Amino acid sequence: QITLKESGPTLVKPTQTLTLTCTFSGFSLSTSGVGVGWIRQPPGKALEWLALIFWNDDEHYNPSLRNRLTITKDTSKNQVLLTLADVDPVDTATYYCARAFYYIGAALSDWGQGTLVTVSS
Amino acid sequence: QSALTQPPSASGSPGQSVTITCTGSSSDVGDYDHVSWYQQHPGKAPKLMISEVSKRRSGVPDRFSGSKFGNTASLTVSGLQAEDEAAYYCTSYAGSNNFVVFGGGTKLTVL
Repeated sequence: QITLKESGPTLVKPTQTLTLTCTFSGFSLSTSGVGVGWIRQPPGKALEWLALIFWNDDEHYNPSLRNRLTITKDTSKNQVLLTLADVDPVDTATYYCARAFYYIGAALSDWGQGTLVTVSS
Repeated sequence: QSALTQPPSASGSPGQSVTITCTGSSSDVGDYDHVSWYQQHPGKAPKLMISEVSKRRSGVPDRFSGSKFGNTASLTVSGLQAEDEAAYYCTSYAGSNNFVVFGGGTKLTVL
């Protein structure tokens, strides 16, 4: 059974750095073609892709947020971390992590439940 | 503004068919057969329905089908059921620079 779960702060102040952790089970990030991605959704709005990291350490970022995002993986712990620097209230959103498959255009096959992060002073 | 364009809303009566379009460009939808469709019910995480333009994920009813022509991909839901009422998002691989692009989502209402 594949599971993913997001964790991190629920409230962050403007200009701070947000760090989120995706802890997963049922698959390995050392398997060829496998990756983990982060996607967010502001309240009442559309999904927005943020970043992806793959089994071969290949990293990809949304060009519009690239200078603020960092994605890393700890294969031994089955975790993927996402940091978002210099947050603003517009970064308030539910943040999801999902398993991705490189060879089919990064289709996101399994998703976590999401975690709501509010940016406010 | 999303890279892929979807109509904000679509609707149909139970039993009818409805098609949701997803228009991109020659750099994404038009250049790769890597279009995926996701279903999201309110308050829930998205669920992968279709990948590689037309391949249904295991367990997805065959009422859901995908296709592509040029820069536009489509999701057709046949024999609409009340449980199909949800938001639907398309994505496409977009090459090594942009990598993945999303659509703005379509809210499907079953009348």
